[in-house]
Amino acid sequence: QVQLQESGPGLVKPSQTLSLTCTVSGGSISSVDYFWTWMRQHPGKGLEWIGYIYYTGSTYYNPSLKSRVTISVDTSKNQFSLKLNSVTAADTAVYYCGRYNSSGYCDYWGQGTLVTVSS
Amino acid sequence: DVQMTQSPSTLSASVGDRVTITCRANQTISSWLAWYQQRPGKAPKLLIYKASNLESGVPSRFSGTGSGTEFTLTISSLQPDDFATYYCQQYNNYPYTFGQGTKLEIK
Repeated sequence: QVQLQESGPGLVKPSQTLSLTCTVSGGSISSVDYFWTWMRQHPGKGLEWIGYIYYTGSTYYNPSLKSRVTISVDTSKNQFSLKLNSVTAADTAVYYCGRYNSSGYCDYWGQGTLVTVSS
Repeated sequence: DVQMTQSPSTLSASVGDRVTITCRANQTISSWLAWYQQRPGKAPKLLIYKASNLESGVPSRFSGTGSGTEFTLTISSLQPDDFATYYCQQYNNYPYTFGQGTKLEIK
């Protein structure tokens, strides 16, 4: 059974960098069939797609966040990571990592982690 | 970006009711649509992919139809566990986008 688990600070100061890691267990992040995604959900709101990474390191970022986002992968640790820089209160959200099937839907989700941007 | 619009935003229903949620895209997305269920404080859970394909382990009371720009999720007989928020997501174009959600409440 594949499991994903987000980890990282729950509180980030404005203008600093939000850093989260997703650890994948029960399956290999190096599978050719999946790509690994970050999404977020603002409090009480809908879901926003941040971007994805393939095990080769190939990435796609949502243009709305592209200038501030970096997603990386560490296949040796079966992890992938999100960095979002220059954060503001508008970046306060629950951040989810997910495994996307090559067709384009998310079949496994992490439990989510709340990141609050506040001084 | 492809805009996904769900209706209604909130739906009140009773156990045993048949309910339908609609998702519309502002451009054609073929059948590249998924439906997710999200319970409070939990991550979304995949229900339907490619518009009408039931994910393994999902009860058969859930069904999806549609193609092009209009899609529906139907729950044939509501169970207590089904009161949650439902999201559609298109995966025809990057960036993938979600609908705003439909909250299914107990009447």
